[in-house]
Amino acid sequence: EDQVTQSPEALRLQEGESSSLNCSYTVSGLRGLFWYRQDPGKGPEFLFTLYSAGEEKEKERLKATLTKKESFLHITAPKPEDSATYLCAVQAFSGGSNYKLTFGKGTLLTVNP
Amino acid sequence: DARVTQTPRDKVTEMGQEVTMRCQPILGHNTVFWYRQTMMQGLELLAYFRNRAPLDDSGMPKDRFSAEMPDATLATLKIQPSEPRDSAVYFCASGLERGTYGYTFGSGTRLTVV
Repeated sequence: EDQVTQSPEALRLQEGESSSLNCSYTVSGLRGLFWYRQDPGKGPEFLFTLYSAGEEKEKERLKATLTKKESFLHITAPKPEDSATYLCAVQAFSGGSNYKLTFGKGTLLTVNP
Repeated sequence: DARVTQTPRDKVTEMGQEVTMRCQPILGHNTVFWYRQTMMQGLELLAYFRNRAPLDDSGMPKDRFSAEMPDATLATLKIQPSEPRDSAVYFCASGLERGTYGYTFGSGTRLTVV
């Protein structure tokens, strides 16, 4: 069974204080790893997909990296508007042509001004 | 921007009543998911459709839940009878088959069963 564990559960940062969120996964074969951002009362918003170890993707202050066992979401010089829950999800080869996403429980990020 | 539209936005119902949630996926997307989100369990997959055909409903309680796609512009999730433990936010998401550009989520239906 595919498993995704995110840490920490919650993280408080001061504006400008860089940090990283972790997503550890266990799958029989990784097809893709997805990062989403979710604001209160809204649906998850797609950020990145990573497909192979060593791959990196960037968007504004966010950079996602991938290894064979985990992914990191690095946040550089965060601003209060980066406050949200960040969700990680895996898409596995084990499902054949099943492209479903299995999600972690998320990291609640709060950036104080 | 194209959006996934879910209705209703909020639903309060009494235990035992039937609940129907609707989703309009983005035009051209051939994959539709239904997920349920709770504080305890996070996002759990309930149903998965590709080209309107059900592919995976292993996470859905079969005795009370049902999901259908009567046409490409409408996906429905029904609960009959509803129970207090069904209280959660239900999300619909759509995308292209492998999710190369990600899957787009709707704003969700917040269901409260009293």
